[in-house]
Amino acid sequence: DGGITQSPKYLFRKEGQNVTLSCEQNLNHDAMYWYRQDPGQGLRLIYYSQIVNDFQKGDIAEGYSVSREKKESFPLTVTSAQKNPTAFYLCASRSGNGYTFGSGTRLTVV
Amino acid sequence: RKEVEQDPGPFNVPEGATVAFNCTYSNSASQSFFWYRQDCRKEPKLLMSVYSSGNEDGRFTAQLNRASQYISLLIRDSKLSDSATYLCVVNMVSTGFQKLVFGTGTRLLVSP
Repeated sequence: DGGITQSPKYLFRKEGQNVTLSCEQNLNHDAMYWYRQDPGQGLRLIYYSQIVNDFQKGDIAEGYSVSREKKESFPLTVTSAQKNPTAFYLCASRSGNGYTFGSGTRLTVV
Repeated sequence: RKEVEQDPGPFNVPEGATVAFNCTYSNSASQSFFWYRQDCRKEPKLLMSVYSSGNEDGRFTAQLNRASQYISLLIRDSKLSDSATYLCVVNMVSTGFQKLVFGTGTRLLVSP
């Protein structure tokens, strides 16, 4: 079945460490997105990519980096520059007006 | 001003009640509109798209008023399983890209 896989489901990071969240899709979608959700808040856009080897900053890109070397993969790195990284991270892909979401990664800084 | 605004709730209703959620959006260039449902600690799932003519899916009715930039969701005969957070979502398209913009969500608690 086609879909988006995010891994890991739960991730713990020590302060000052970089960590990479995986997002893989087999839907053949060109566009992919990373969102962040904090308690009581809506999803906010971190980065997006419309095609391979191209990506753009979203509304809250500071402290994050991405790559899009393959159509299927859009990993997100949370760097030590991100001051408040504890959150729920969601990856999505799009075809036309239809969006598909992964099940999310919950990142906690310890 | 937030691009998409919703009352965060919670709305506490008994089973069988009718409940309505409202949402406003600020960008008049917004092109398509949705209601998503999100259960605790899960990803959002599409509940229904919203059209100007109004659309219904079983107990759920959605309405869009482009002139007022207002979106609504009506749930009739509430079930316990309707308890969740309902996200008002706008698909914005500009200069060759599009993105979903989310409201903060309205929490619904349906009690026996």
